[in-house]
Order: sequence, then structure tokens, then C-alpha cells
Amino acid sequence: QKEVEQNSGPLSVPEGAIASLNCTYSDRGSQSFFWYRQYSGKSPELIMFIYSNGDKEDGRFTAQLNKASQYVSLLIRDSQPSDSATYLCAVMGRGNNRLAFGKGNQVVVIP
Amino acid sequence: DTGVSQDPRHKITKRGQNVTFRCDPISEHNRLYWYRQTLGQGPEFLTYFQNEAQLEKSRLLSDRFSAERPKGSFSTLEIQRTEQGDSAMYLCVGGGPTDTQYFGPGTRLTVL
Repeated sequence: QKEVEQNSGPLSVPEGAIASLNCTYSDRGSQSFFWYRQYSGKSPELIMFIYSNGDKEDGRFTAQLNKASQYVSLLIRDSQPSDSATYLCAVMGRGNNRLAFGKGNQVVVIP
Repeated sequence: DTGVSQDPRHKITKRGQNVTFRCDPISEHNRLYWYRQTLGQGPEFLTYFQNEAQLEKSRLLSDRFSAERPKGSFSTLEIQRTEQGDSAMYLCVGGGPTDTQYFGPGTRLTVL
């Protein structure tokens, strides 16, 4: 089992709609959770981090964490064409400093 | 802009040659990481420095790879006897007192 799994294929959403991305992780002791956005040919850019169960909102982005289910999600409200990118879920385990990444989900926002 | 810079941004080399990449984090980044990313995959951890001490190395880091961070400032990643499988984006990441990590622009390596 991979440490971090993002299994959904490319996600196409109409402009103005909500994009929903999901991620599961295997290390129950993981404590820090991150979402990065990566445009084609560019390096990942941090957009959200969450440490506690529940929701965390930042502008049009909401991260949701459920440690019991080992599940973290990202919602993008009022999707814009500039949101078209690959979104990477990353998890930091207890007692270590490295990030384990999923393979990413591509989001395409259709004008 | 995260303040992390990498040089060069692109490197094309022939198989068997040695290459060296440099990373300059900002002064607040006492933690420094190297990751590698291939097409369609998420970044993979290679190694981690706390100031000048290399505290962790991935099993992915074969003997051909070496990293240094003298004086806890800039870092270098050297690949000896490059192979075509080394072609990837090499990402330097800075981290400060919290868990957050900030990526540099990356060095894209192509081994012919």
C-alpha cells in the first residue's frame, strides 16, 4: 500500500463550480497534511496545510481532515480557469520531517 | 516566490557524466530537502539537512548521489556517472520552524 493515494483520474469542472479532490494515507500517526498546486512545467506551490480534524478555509479553498478515516480532501469553490493544474496531496508522518506525496490529480476548469 | 533558488534550471548531459546542482534557500530555512520528480508522479524524498547536518537519506539515493550543505546555507547535489533513469526534475525545498516546506523552481535534468 502506498503511503499517500490519490486515485481519481483527471477532473473536469465548469467554471464557477466546486472541484473536490480526495486523498488517503496509510500512516495512522501522520500529523501534518498539505495540498500543493503544480502548474505544468513548474514546481509545486503550497496552497493549504491542516493539522487538526475538521475543516480549514482559506479563500476559495477548504481542506478537510478526518484522521479516524485517514482521509484528507480539498475543495475549490467558484473554480476559475487559473485553477487548472495538478493538485498534490502530501503527508508528514510522526517523528520524521519528510513529505510523502501522492501522484497528484489533474483539474481542468472549463470556461 | 518562495525565496528558494536553484541553479541551473536545466541541464542536459550525456550518460556517464557527472553533474552538480546548487540550491540557495532563504536564511530562515534551517531545514533543507532534496526531492526528485518524474513525469506523472509526485515528488519523492531524497535527503534532508538540518542546518549543516544530513539527517536522513532515502534508499532511492544510490552511492552515485551525494549531497552537502556546508555551513548550513546553500546545498549541492551531485550525481556521478549519470544514467538515463536519472532524468527528472530535482527539487530543493526549504523549511523553517514550522512543518511547512517551500519548493524552489527545480532543476530539470535530461540524460542522453
